[in-house]
Order: sequence, then structure tokens, then C-alpha cells
Amino acid sequence: GNSVTQMEGPVTLSEEAFLTINCTYTATGYPSLFWYVQYPGEGLQLLLKATKADDKGSNKGFEATYRKETTSFHLEKGSVQVSDSAVYFCALSDNRGSTLGRLYFGRGTQLTVWP
Amino acid sequence: DAGVIQSPRHEVTEMGQEVTLRCKPISGHDYLFWYRQTMMRGLELLIYFNNNVPIDDSGMPEDRFSAKMPNASFSTLKIQPSEPRDSAVYFCASSSRATATDTQYFGPGTRLTVL
Repeated sequence: GNSVTQMEGPVTLSEEAFLTINCTYTATGYPSLFWYVQYPGEGLQLLLKATKADDKGSNKGFEATYRKETTSFHLEKGSVQVSDSAVYFCALSDNRGSTLGRLYFGRGTQLTVWP
Repeated sequence: DAGVIQSPRHEVTEMGQEVTLRCKPISGHDYLFWYRQTMMRGLELLIYFNNNVPIDDSGMPEDRFSAKMPNASFSTLKIQPSEPRDSAVYFCASSSRATATDTQYFGPGTRLTVL
């Protein structure tokens, strides 16, 4: 079946520190992979995505590379800011007819950045 | 575009009462999703629709929960009777011609408190 496992939080960093949030997946087909971000009091919004192996998604200084050989899609940012404090969700979507359109989410990782 | 619209944003009710949550998807989107978010269980998919037809309702907790989509621009999630354990944030999301690459757009959520 399809599932996503991401690192447990919370993650606490100082401003300008390097961020990595690990995400691995299990999928029966050839999934697309996503990172969503949820700021306090808001709904989830797409941060970045990658649709095939070796693709790199990037946005707002965040990056993630689709690694089929390790079934991973780790989120990285070279220098975090206080405004990056949020919950980050890794997710996958596959092409299979029975689950077309559905996203499978990880549990979320709370990131807090201190000034 | 106004994005996904949900109402009400907050709902406080007493155990045993009926609760109706409402969602207006983005115009032109043909997939609609209802999620529930709690600290204990994270983000759960409850049900999703394609072209107003329910595709998968296996996530609906029990018979007290029901969802409808009478037309392409409106959906409801009803809980009757409500219980304290239903307290959560309920999100609606929509997407267009869902393939593995399509993005889901989330509404701001409805925070439900059942006393």
C-alpha cells in the first residue's frame, strides 16, 4: 500500500541554521511527492513537489529531491528564518485508478525557529 | 480566485447536537476532499468526491458522519449526534482533473468544539 513516514518533531532551530526533515515513502506505483506547510491557524498549502525520480522541487529556499533508490524525499533549507516556523507535511499521490486523486500524508513535523 | 471557502470557521456545540460544516471548492475543480486533524491522530482523510460522486468514504468514522455534494460548487459534512471526541479541525480541499501531479488546495478549516 501507500504510506509516508517522516521524522518525529518537534524540531527547534536557531535562525540561519540548516534544516533537514526526513521523509521516506512506500508506494505501489510511481508516485508524485509533495511537501505541504501549515502555518498557525491556517490550512495546508503546497510548498513544493516532484513528479518523477531525480526531480528536485524547490520554493522559498526549500528543496527536496525525489530519490527512488532510497524511497526518500527529504526537505532541506540552508538558512531558516523565524517565519519558517510551521508544521511540515510530506505526502504522496499515485496514478492508480483505485486511488486516483488521493494524497497520503505523513504525521507532520513541527518546526520552531528562534531568533 | 477566492480559494476554497469553508464555513463556519469556528463552531462550538453541545454533545448530541447536529453539526453541519460547509465547503465551496475552487471553481472548475472536480475533486473534493474532507479531512479531519487532531493532535492524537494527525491528518485523516474522511471522504472524497469526484464530479460530485463519493469515491472513497472508508475514512468516515461511523454512521454519525455523513457527507454530500449536491452540485459542483457545494459540499456538506454533517455529524449527528455530535460527541466530544469529534472535536477537531475539519478541512476541505479541492483539486482539478486529479492525476499524480495535481495539487490539492486546502480551505482555512473549521474548528469544531463539542462540549
